[in-house]
Amino acid sequence: DVKVTQSSRYLVKRTGEKVFLECVQDMDHENMFWYRQDPGLGLRLIYFSYDVKMKEKGDIPEGYSVSREKKERFSLILESASTNQTSMYLCASSLCRGACGYTFGSGTRLTVV
Amino acid sequence: ILNVEQSPQSLHVQEGDSTNFTCSFPSSNFYALHWYRWETAKSPEALFVMTLNGDEKKKGRISATLNTKEGYSYLYIKGSQPEDSATYLCAFWGAQKLVFGQGTRLTINP
Repeated sequence: DVKVTQSSRYLVKRTGEKVFLECVQDMDHENMFWYRQDPGLGLRLIYFSYDVKMKEKGDIPEGYSVSREKKERFSLILESASTNQTSMYLCASSLCRGACGYTFGSGTRLTVV
Repeated sequence: ILNVEQSPQSLHVQEGDSTNFTCSFPSSNFYALHWYRWETAKSPEALFVMTLNGDEKKKGRISATLNTKEGYSYLYIKGSQPEDSATYLCAFWGAQKLVFGQGTRLTINP
């Protein structure tokens, strides 16, 4: 069964901490994405990557960075966590751009206190 | 900024009834439209990816239609069951990224 695995289901961090959210896929997909989901706002794209070493800003990249050293792993980094980054974070991957469905991880619910 | 609108935001339906909801998206430069089902405590799951005007897709009791010229898609659920309770998301592929609507939260009352 193909999978996107996110390392933590729930995470509580303090304001100012550097936070790493890890995502690994086993489908050999080129394309990987990070979204956050907030009530009433839907899924918003933070960063995406169409190739190893490649990264592009999404719609809300401020306060985040990413790392993709290997094809299967795409990490989201919160440089200095703030309370407005409390959210559900979803990682996804896809085989192609546009016309291929995304496979999502189970999400990480991050609370910054 | 691409705008994808879904309506209604939430819906309560009696078990056995059929229902439908709408996704509106930009009608220019169309490439693909996705539908996902997101059940509580699970990952969003792809239902359909539609690329052609007039396309109709079906998966069991769920079907979807696409009108790219006027910029809308309908999702239909026939004979709703409790397991259909979920948030249904549509997403428009544009400017090299997938932009999601806010979702329609469907609750099936037994």
